[in-house]
Amino acid sequence: DTEVTQTPKHLVMGMTNKKSLKCEQHMGHRAMYWYKQKAKKPPELMFVYSYEKLSINESVPSRFSPECPNSSLLNLHLHALQPEDSALYLCASSQVGGSREQYFGPGTRLTVT
Amino acid sequence: GEDVEQSLFLSVREGDSSVINCTYTDSSSTYLYWYKQEPGAGLQLLTYIFSNMDMKQDQRLTVLLNKKDKHLSLRIADTQTGDSAIYFCAERHDKIIFGKGTRLHILP
Repeated sequence: DTEVTQTPKHLVMGMTNKKSLKCEQHMGHRAMYWYKQKAKKPPELMFVYSYEKLSINESVPSRFSPECPNSSLLNLHLHALQPEDSALYLCASSQVGGSREQYFGPGTRLTVT
Repeated sequence: GEDVEQSLFLSVREGDSSVINCTYTDSSSTYLYWYKQEPGAGLQLLTYIFSNMDMKQDQRLTVLLNKKDKHLSLRIADTQTGDSAIYFCAERHDKIIFGKGTRLHILP
């Protein structure tokens, strides 16, 4: 099973709302990632968790707050977003060592109004 | 610095072979990857190659790596309409760096 699931598939939120994106994998991977992807662009790395600890934050604004409650789950808490934050948010997971190929979820399409 | 370059567009007739090319700059990259993204979907890992290999074949897919020229290619044999997608080349050093993606268009 190489499946990464993400919920919700679509999310529309206002600039004053608080919402969360969820990601789950059961491949035993101990590295999990959040990416942001704008239309016709490659994914941009936001955060990396390794063994449930935040290891990389690519200078992401604090209105995005990641959380890794356990080795299978990854959340992204959203607060006071801007319209330019509208994008496809992708979660991925991988082994920590070896080839570390990343397996991606289907993404959450976020629209900020 | 790290950079991955790909041509942005490729048009191929159904049944022909598609060859998508990629160049990278970081000679210390350990693994190189090819991902496929269909409209509205996430990225699907197609294949990857370790930097000490020069070729890897998996069914209709063949990856060629020229480490001296830092050139990677993905060949898709007998291209089908379902192969229409954006293909991302990516290299790994301490993190994955993606190219801008090549949009593969299939002609009937």
